[in-house]
Amino acid sequence: AQKITQTQPGMFVQEKEAVTLDCTYDTSDPSYGLFWYKQPSSGEMIFLIYQGSYDQQNATEGRYSLNFQKARKSANLVISASQLGDSAMYFCAMRDGEYGNKLVFGAGTILRVKS
Amino acid sequence: EAGVAQSPRYKIIEKRQSVAFWCNPISGHATLYWYQQILGQGPKLLIQFQNNGVVDDSQLPKDRFSAERLKGVDSTLKIQPAKLEDSAVYLCASRLPRANEQFFGPGTRLTVL
Repeated sequence: AQKITQTQPGMFVQEKEAVTLDCTYDTSDPSYGLFWYKQPSSGEMIFLIYQGSYDQQNATEGRYSLNFQKARKSANLVISASQLGDSAMYFCAMRDGEYGNKLVFGAGTILRVKS
Repeated sequence: EAGVAQSPRYKIIEKRQSVAFWCNPISGHATLYWYQQILGQGPKLLIQFQNNGVVDDSQLPKDRFSAERLKGVDSTLKIQPAKLEDSAVYLCASRLPRANEQFFGPGTRLTVL
């Protein structure tokens, strides 16, 4: 069965610094996808970044990058140059298989950016 | 492009009452999901539709929850009768065929008293 573990309930980071949010996963499927979503206090889930299990390079999207270590089954999110607007809950999620299957989410990490 | 629409945004009911939530996905998105997010937890899938057919409802409490997606577009999720533990945010998401990203709506926050 799929499982996502986010061990950091909460994190603080100083504005303009980088921060890493941890995510480990467990699956028996050789083909899977890993996602990070941001959930501000308003409640909507905002897609940040995606990494496929067969992707050779780590995914990057602007200030977001995914540190994918397949052997360790980890998919940490790195946010560079933190901004006050980055304060939110962050969820790591995965899906098994090629397209279309459900997402299984971790418990989330709440990030607070300090000015 | 309009996003996923959900209504109502907030709902307060008493236990044993019924409630229904509505979702309109992004145009052209054949796959639609309903998730339940209890406070302090990540979302959990309740049901997945492909067009108007159910793909996965293994975690839907079928004794009290039901969902439909008539005509393969809008969807309705119903709870009857509601329990205290149903208090949560109900998120609807949709996705294009063979795409990775799921787009989420703003959610409906349900409080059962």
